[in-house]
Amino acid sequence: SAVISQKPSRDICQRGTSLTIQCQVDSQVTMMFWYRQQPGQSLTLIATANQGSEATYESGFVIDKFPISRPNLTFSTLTVSNMSPEDSSIYLCSAETTTVEAFFGPGTRLTVL
Amino acid sequence: QQQVKQSPQSLIVQKGGISIINCAYENTAFDYFPWYQQFPGKGPALLIAIRPDVSEKKEGRFTISFNKSAKQFSLHIMDSQPGDSATYFCAARTQGGADGLTFGKGTHLIIQP
Repeated sequence: SAVISQKPSRDICQRGTSLTIQCQVDSQVTMMFWYRQQPGQSLTLIATANQGSEATYESGFVIDKFPISRPNLTFSTLTVSNMSPEDSSIYLCSAETTTVEAFFGPGTRLTVL
Repeated sequence: QQQVKQSPQSLIVQKGGISIINCAYENTAFDYFPWYQQFPGKGPALLIAIRPDVSEKKEGRFTISFNKSAKQFSLHIMDSQPGDSATYFCAARTQGGADGLTFGKGTHLIIQP
């Protein structure tokens, strides 16, 4: 298994600002992903964080809005840029182990005013 | 297009009863089907998973039944307990996993004591 931590756990931000969320895994993993979850709803994949190269984004998500880095096998960041109230959501980091199992962090609850 | 359809949206079961949640998928390239349990304010936790080469997998009180021809799979929770009250998500992933998980919309399960 993999234990995933995220920072910050929650934040309240002003419109037009940016927030960077950090994700740290306690062991080497093969894949890392970022998801978004509106309260009470399901999870939607934002992008796959690729080590040492540009992330792969899902339809509806773009790099300028959600830049992602993954400098090594156990760490990734997601930035939510130029935020608007519509970006208020829970952002979840996920990591997949060599056994294919995917684990999730506790999430970052973002509120944009 | 929703690729994984989950039902019911909510479910109330008496303590000691069997909870059954169903999912259906469309993409025949899916080859890995996990279930996640999520408590309020927490990230999803991997509960149990199955691959299409088996029809059933059991871990403790949790059982996945899989019907490849019907493209359906279900979660059975035996002897349901109040502590099982949570939101359950089915998910699916294609071979290789580079594109992350596709989630169902979730089932809010309440176990009445």
